[in-house]
Amino acid sequence: DAKTTQPTSMDCAEGRAANLPCNHSTISGNEYVYWYRQIHSQGPQYIIHGLKNNETNEMASLIITEDRKSSTLILPHATLRDTAVYYCIVRAFRGGATNKLIFGTGTLLAVQP
Amino acid sequence: DTGVSQNPRHKITKRGQNVTFRCDPISEHNRLYWYRQTLGQGPEFLTYFQNEAQLEKSRLLSDRFSAERPKGSFSTLEIQRTEQGDSAMYLCASSSSGANNQPQHFGDGTRLSIL
Repeated sequence: DAKTTQPTSMDCAEGRAANLPCNHSTISGNEYVYWYRQIHSQGPQYIIHGLKNNETNEMASLIITEDRKSSTLILPHATLRDTAVYYCIVRAFRGGATNKLIFGTGTLLAVQP
Repeated sequence: DTGVSQNPRHKITKRGQNVTFRCDPISEHNRLYWYRQTLGQGPEFLTYFQNEAQLEKSRLLSDRFSAERPKGSFSTLEIQRTEQGDSAMYLCASSSSGANNQPQHFGDGTRLSIL
């Protein structure tokens, strides 16, 4: 699976958009980009995933560049409750494979009042 | 709440004791995963079940660790003769076997502390 690179930490003002970047320059054609977040003392929470098209749900938007080598997770109006570690994971799915997730150390997003 | 449920949430035990954790996945999910997370690190994969079959085990899963999913529903993870290094958060996740890109959904974990 392709390796991902994320900044160690970021700050965002409450009410502003939080844009979290992820670099996955070695991504291959069958690999999806997944985003999870983990709030202190809780399990990882699934946010969104995509293959090549931009995706939006009630939590966030995922923008994937045309060459698929990087992506950005956008939280449109960050709140204090969005303070968490955000993980970007690239995963291919192959028939019969486990499809386990390989987590890095993520980006600690601190939303400031 | 119909999410992944893990019990207990916290376990404190003395070194050398055996411990068992339970995971109840989302009811229609037939894939179940165990991960371990130590302080400051992301979760690491331990093992995977599809229905009752254990299909993959990580090298992290030493002989002291055993996981079961006897009826393809809930799962247990047992650690025998616990050691200080076993102190961690143990996370369970489940997913459906529909399209291959179905996301995994996690429980809030069991935090194990070895005295």
